[in-house]
Amino acid sequence: QSVLTQPPSASGTPGQRVSISCSESSSDIESNYVHWYQQLPGMAPTLLIFKNSQRPSGVPARFSGSKSGTSASLAISGLQSEDEADYYCATWDDSLGAWVFGGGTKLTVL
Amino acid sequence: QVQLQQWGAGLLKPSETLSLSCAVSGGSFSDDYWSWIRQSPGKGLEWIGEINQSGSTNYNPSLKSRVALSLDTSKNQFSLNVSSVTAADTAVYYCARVVSVFGVVLQPFDSWGQGTLVTVAS
Repeated sequence: QSVLTQPPSASGTPGQRVSISCSESSSDIESNYVHWYQQLPGMAPTLLIFKNSQRPSGVPARFSGSKSGTSASLAISGLQSEDEADYYCATWDDSLGAWVFGGGTKLTVL
Repeated sequence: QVQLQQWGAGLLKPSETLSLSCAVSGGSFSDDYWSWIRQSPGKGLEWIGEINQSGSTNYNPSLKSRVALSLDTSKNQFSLNVSSVTAADTAVYYCARVVSVFGVVLQPFDSWGQGTLVTVAS
């Protein structure tokens, strides 16, 4: 069974680069894509990164994703106050036949 | 751009059935999967299940015994039923699209409904 682990919190100052990790105990990240979502306070989540590193149209280039082995990362460069949000990773769990989400990371812009 | 508009009862008593629907505008069902995701107050996202135009479904194993998904192509909408609800089912429920072509996922959850808060209380 897939368990995606994210740090519960992260922080940075405006202009900084921050990174949020998403690691997995089994091999689903290794064999499947990782996707990232941003959830602004009180709003529905939005797709931020899909297939490990691709950005949907409209997502700024300062958001980037990567994956290596059983870990994935979301990086935000040139941090802005409006980036303060919750961030979730997700992948397909082959053994469950289900989508699984990480627990989410609350990003604070100091 | 596909838009999802959802609705349904927001207050239920324990043991009742939760029913939500989600209308799709600006697109058709095509090869995509149509999902439901929930978020308990102050908690993370939990995937409930998905259905496609052919009626093929996938469910979260932890909810499978109580969940039923359906899709009405004539109305361009899909629906969620969760039976025998308890306080643990209190959450904001979202509908969302998984863009797929010939069964290959391209962009999961690229469009979301506005969310419906469902509260289960006696």
